[in-house]
Amino acid sequence: GQNIDQPTEMTATEGAIVQINCTYQTSGFNGLFWYQQHAGEAPTFLSYNVLDGLEEKGRFSSFLSRSKGYSYLLLKELQMKDSASYLCASRNRDDKIIFGKGTRLHILP
Amino acid sequence: DSGVTQTPKHLITATGQRVTLRCSPRSGDLSVYWYQQSLDQGLQFLIQYYNGEERAKGNILERFSAQQFPDLHSELNLSSLELGDSALYFCASSPSHFTSYNEQFFGPGTRLTVL
Repeated sequence: GQNIDQPTEMTATEGAIVQINCTYQTSGFNGLFWYQQHAGEAPTFLSYNVLDGLEEKGRFSSFLSRSKGYSYLLLKELQMKDSASYLCASRNRDDKIIFGKGTRLHILP
Repeated sequence: DSGVTQTPKHLITATGQRVTLRCSPRSGDLSVYWYQQSLDQGLQFLIQYYNGEERAKGNILERFSAQQFPDLHSELNLSSLELGDSALYFCASSPSHFTSYNEQFFGPGTRLTVL
């Protein structure tokens, strides 16, 4: 299987930087998704990493290490609207997608 | 607005019944995904279609089936409904080009309540 582990909750301060970690089982791994989901809304796609390294998209960056089965989502210059759940999900070579339980991020003023 | 539409928005039905959820992908997108989200299980991938063909299967129960039609809209059929099937069902679509194939756009979801 490809169990996905990520912290249940995190708290950070407006304007700061936060890193949300995710680990997954590497067997059959093909790529890793990050999604943002505000309460009561549909998920929003943030990134999909296939190769090792950091990919930056504005205030959000996603990192992948295939050999370590590890990824993180980095959020800079935090804003109150970044309060949401962040979902990590892996895709295997059969295109099956497995989600973690999500990390609820609370932003304090 | 993602451009993905789902109907109905809400559905209330009884155990043992059958329902059909409908999804229209963004114009030009060939891939459609179905997901189930419940409080205790989180977001679960059910199935993916690409241009009318089943592409990948996740934790989809045998009581559930899906299809993608020639006009690319998709339907998710849920039968012999149980209380535990109460959940939000999301549809997502993604572009066909290989450079953006994995970028998914989610519809607003259908909230299913089984009584």
